[in-house]
Amino acid sequence: DQQVKQNSPSLSVQEGRISILNCDYTNSMFDYFLWYKKYPAEGPTFLISISSIKDKNEDGRFTVFLNKSAKHLSLHIVPSQPGDSAVYFCAASVATSGSRLTFGEGTQLTVNP
Amino acid sequence: SAVISQKPSRDICQRGTSLTIQCQVDSQVTMMFWYRQQPGQSLTLIATANQGSEATYESGFVIDKFPISRPNLTFSTLTVSNMSPEDSSIYLCSVLPVYSNYGYTFGSGTRLTVV
Repeated sequence: DQQVKQNSPSLSVQEGRISILNCDYTNSMFDYFLWYKKYPAEGPTFLISISSIKDKNEDGRFTVFLNKSAKHLSLHIVPSQPGDSAVYFCAASVATSGSRLTFGEGTQLTVNP
Repeated sequence: SAVISQKPSRDICQRGTSLTIQCQVDSQVTMMFWYRQQPGQSLTLIATANQGSEATYESGFVIDKFPISRPNLTFSTLTVSNMSPEDSSIYLCSVLPVYSNYGYTFGSGTRLTVV
């Protein structure tokens, strides 16, 4: 049972344009969502998160949107840069401290110069 | 944020042997976890490493196959026992620092190939 799904295994965009990565979840108990970025031969790095009490969280070029009714969240990167090329994982948890994370399958983003 | 040293970074092992992976954190952490990422797949939680007691395993993972130790707040080991080619994966240590509820930090991972 894949509770967190990223349906696009890959995404390619031009430098300077917007990258939109999508994530869907099925477990209505999830109320905290995170995005991680992973480069080859490195561990995932925390990027941005959002609580279910919000529908948007912004940090520089990165914005995460949450649509609770649709059980959908998205990560927007504007403008995209070649250094953003990496695998992006969506993760979700139930908001108790130290709660386990459930990850999506990841989306390989390639930003072309 | 916490800095994790995970060793070895990669290894090629013969089937039937065992490999122990170490995870050392530079600060005290509340929680330590072990994940597996099989080729082309997501990160899957293997277990939560509990200090001074048996680890808490997720469904599909058992202590005989993946024994875990956590003798103190900053160190844990994961052993992959009696390996088969299906165990070829990236194994990742993850921690939750004491000052953060959701700033899970990951080690750089151990890329294991079983031949």
